Amino acid sequence: ELKVEQNPLFLSMQEGKNYTIYCNYSTTSDRLYWYRQDPGKSLESLFVLLSNGAVKQEGRLMASLDTKARLSTLHITAAVHDLSATYFCAVDMSRYGGSQGNLIFGKGTKLSVKP
Amino acid sequence: DAMVIQNPRYQVTQFGKPVTLSCSQTLNHNVMYWYQQKSSQAPKLLFHYYDKDFNNEADTPDNFQSRRPNTSFCFLDIRSPGLGDAAMYLCATSSALGTYEQYFGPGTRLTVT
Repeated sequence: ELKVEQNPLFLSMQEGKNYTIYCNYSTTSDRLYWYRQDPGKSLESLFVLLSNGAVKQEGRLMASLDTKARLSTLHITAAVHDLSATYFCAVDMSRYGGSQGNLIFGKGTKLSVKP
Repeated sequence: DAMVIQNPRYQVTQFGKPVTLSCSQTLNHNVMYWYQQKSSQAPKLLFHYYDKDFNNEADTPDNFQSRRPNTSFCFLDIRSPGLGDAAMYLCATSSALGTYEQYFGPGTRLTVT
């Protein structure tokens, strides 16, 4: 069974600080995605990571993928209040009998950035 | 702008009264998904269409059905909603020609009274 674990599940940080969210998954997968969700809203795609060693950056967020370690990280640099949201990683299930593109989501990391 | 649209945004239904949620897309994506997301939980895939091919997740209750009459539209039918079906229902689309990155609609929040 494919499992996707995120930690921490809750993260309270001060503006200006750096932090990393971790996403571990139990067996090999070809694709990993990061999404952001604001309270009561839908999911917004942040990053698509398709290969070992992939690194993508957008503003204060940087995501990386290590397929050998089955680990993805979402690094936050100099956090600002606007980054407060829940962040989900999701792994493609296609190697486990699912269709390509079918995702299993982690439980999400609820980030709160305080002044 | 190309987008995924869901209607209604908020739906209140009575226990046991059938309800239909709608999703449309202008992205011309061939894959459409329905997710259920309960409060403070991750989205859970209910089913998806690859073109006209319907794929049901093994643990999706029979109470949930779906229709995709054409590329642009997809419907979620809940035949007899229970209190436990109250949730946000998210529609998403992706293209099998690319990265399968999923684009989500704004969601429909379903309340069951």
